[in-house]
Amino acid sequence: GAGVSQSPSNKVTEKGKDVELRCDPISGHTALYWYRQSLGQGLEFLIYFQGNSAPDKSGLPSDRFSAERTGGSVSTLTIQRTQQEDSAVYLCASSFRQGAHEQYFGPGTRLTVT
Amino acid sequence: AQSVTQLGSHVSVSEGALVLLRCNYSSSVPPYLFWYVQYPNQGLQLLLKYTTGATLVKGINGFEAEFKKSETSFHLTKPSAHMSDAAEYFCAVSYGGATNKLIFGTGTLLAVQP
Repeated sequence: GAGVSQSPSNKVTEKGKDVELRCDPISGHTALYWYRQSLGQGLEFLIYFQGNSAPDKSGLPSDRFSAERTGGSVSTLTIQRTQQEDSAVYLCASSFRQGAHEQYFGPGTRLTVT
Repeated sequence: AQSVTQLGSHVSVSEGALVLLRCNYSSSVPPYLFWYVQYPNQGLQLLLKYTTGATLVKGINGFEAEFKKSETSFHLTKPSAHMSDAAEYFCAVSYGGATNKLIFGTGTLLAVQP
């Protein structure tokens, strides 16, 4: 079956522009996570969705970051007014249900802010 | 705050030699424990996990890890390294609950020499 997919795979944007990153989780997975992987900070949690709700947004680094999930499936992470420190690989993961232990990761979106 | 420590950001072994990657966590409550592998320009792949039960867990590609509560450790081993094992390895913990988000170590880059 299909795994977690993310698009685009690479995104180069100018400082100050807005970007949208997309995640398609595994079909039937109700839990969805966004993580960020950067040289300075390593792998860090951003936000968690259960269905369309986001009960844990504690990892979002600033109010420039937001995310939504529709239909209990696709999720979009939006970064407004991008800064150079936003350059990182953004990883999405899904799991079958809340409390399930295995998270399946997508290939990531590499964001470069110039 | 809970944290994960991986000793050695770079480890180099010869092909056929023992692989030992170290991971320690800091919390009084035993977490769920995971090892993930990341090949270049790819997402994270789950190698193995410990949730409950037997403390020695076997994973894919011949890897195994042992949960030692008294040492708060979850070291990853493989008896005989293969060239294809060259990758970055991440130890992670979660504490279940409503979010089950992963907290990652800083990663260990494994090089395998011919």
